[in-house]
Amino acid sequence: DAKTTQPPSMDCAEGRAANLPCNHSTISGNEYVYWYRQIHSQGPQYIIHGLKNNETNEMASLIITEDRKSSTLILPHATLRDTAVYYCIVRPRGGGADGLTFGKGTHLIIQP
Amino acid sequence: EAGVAQSPRYKIIEKRQSVAFWCNPISGHATLYWYQQILGQGPKLLIQFQNNGVVDDSQLPKDRFSAERLKGVDSTLKIQPAKLEDSAVYLCASSLRAKEIGEAFFGQGTRLTVV
Repeated sequence: DAKTTQPPSMDCAEGRAANLPCNHSTISGNEYVYWYRQIHSQGPQYIIHGLKNNETNEMASLIITEDRKSSTLILPHATLRDTAVYYCIVRPRGGGADGLTFGKGTHLIIQP
Repeated sequence: EAGVAQSPRYKIIEKRQSVAFWCNPISGHATLYWYQQILGQGPKLLIQFQNNGVVDDSQLPKDRFSAERLKGVDSTLKIQPAKLEDSAVYLCASSLRAKEIGEAFFGQGTRLTVV
């Protein structure tokens, strides 16, 4: 699976949009980009995934660059409850036989 | 819909003792995963089941760790004997099918402390 690079930590003011970057320059054509987050003392929670088109759901938006070498997760109106570690994961199309490979993620801190 | 259930929530044992964790996945989910999360790191996959068969256990320390999923539903993960470096949160997750694009649902985990 392609590796991902994320900043270790980020701050964002409550009510503002939180933009979390992820680099995946070695991604291949059959690999999806997944985002999970982990709130303190809880298990990871799925947020969104995409292949090459931008995606939006009730939690967030995912913007993938045209060359697919990077992506940005956008939380449009961050709240204190969005404070968590956010993981960007690249996974083969069809899921494959592999479980998710987590890196260290980005610790997003929402400031009041 | 009920989530992934894990027990116990916390466990403290002495090194060289044995311990077992239990997981009940979401009903109908064929794929079950066990992850180990050491403090400050992301979760690491230990073993993946598809129904009651093992798909991937390449990162499971088989000299001391074992896991089973009888009847393709509940699963147990055992450590015998435990070492200090096994202190971690053990997460169970499930998903509908390994081959499909979809999310994995995680339990709250079992925090193991080995002293």
